[in-house]
Amino acid sequence: GDSVTQMEGPVTLSEEAFLTINCTYTATGYPSLFWYVQYPGEGLQLLLKATKADDKGSNKGFEATYRKETTSFHLEKGSVQVSDSAVYFCALSDASGTYKYIFGTGTRLKVLA
Amino acid sequence: EAGVAQSPRYKIIEKRQSVAFWCNPISGHATLYWYQQILGQGPKLLIQFQNNGVVDDSQLPKDRFSAERLKGVDSTLKIQPAKLEDSAVYLCASSLEMNTEAFFGQGTRLTVV
Repeated sequence: GDSVTQMEGPVTLSEEAFLTINCTYTATGYPSLFWYVQYPGEGLQLLLKATKADDKGSNKGFEATYRKETTSFHLEKGSVQVSDSAVYFCALSDASGTYKYIFGTGTRLKVLA
Repeated sequence: EAGVAQSPRYKIIEKRQSVAFWCNPISGHATLYWYQQILGQGPKLLIQFQNNGVVDDSQLPKDRFSAERLKGVDSTLKIQPAKLEDSAVYLCASSLEMNTEAFFGQGTRLTVV
């Protein structure tokens, strides 16, 4: 079945460092891809999305490109802030008919001042 | 726009007791999801509704879990009897239609002792 694999955390960075969180997927068809963020004590929030190959999703300085050839959707940010500390989830929307969301295990990011 | 509302926020019960969670999706959203998020893992879909019909309940432990969405609006998820391994955060999400952005509630944290 469809699945999402994320790099394990935690990832600890200094403020203004470059961030990459790797995400790869296995899916039949052409799923939509998402990054969700979960701040402490809060629910999941959509960070960005891409619906077809070569699309780039971006929001709040984060970006990710839908790479069909490598089945990847890596999250990047050029300069992280302390306020970016959270858990980041990569997800796909199953394209086989039900469009259910399948999530990775999450990557915890801690940014130090 | 009001978000997805869930209650209660926290619940502690003893094993073998029963518990129910309530979800009120965003007005007009036809698709409703219940996810289980065990500590340190990504959310796992339990059941997906389209209006008041079940689209996917393949990962719902039907011997103890049940869910309903009467009139295609609010939904209730029930566990009876609860087991220790049911300790998790139960997330409700809704989307306008399948294959559109899902919005998540803050979740209900269940602890079974």
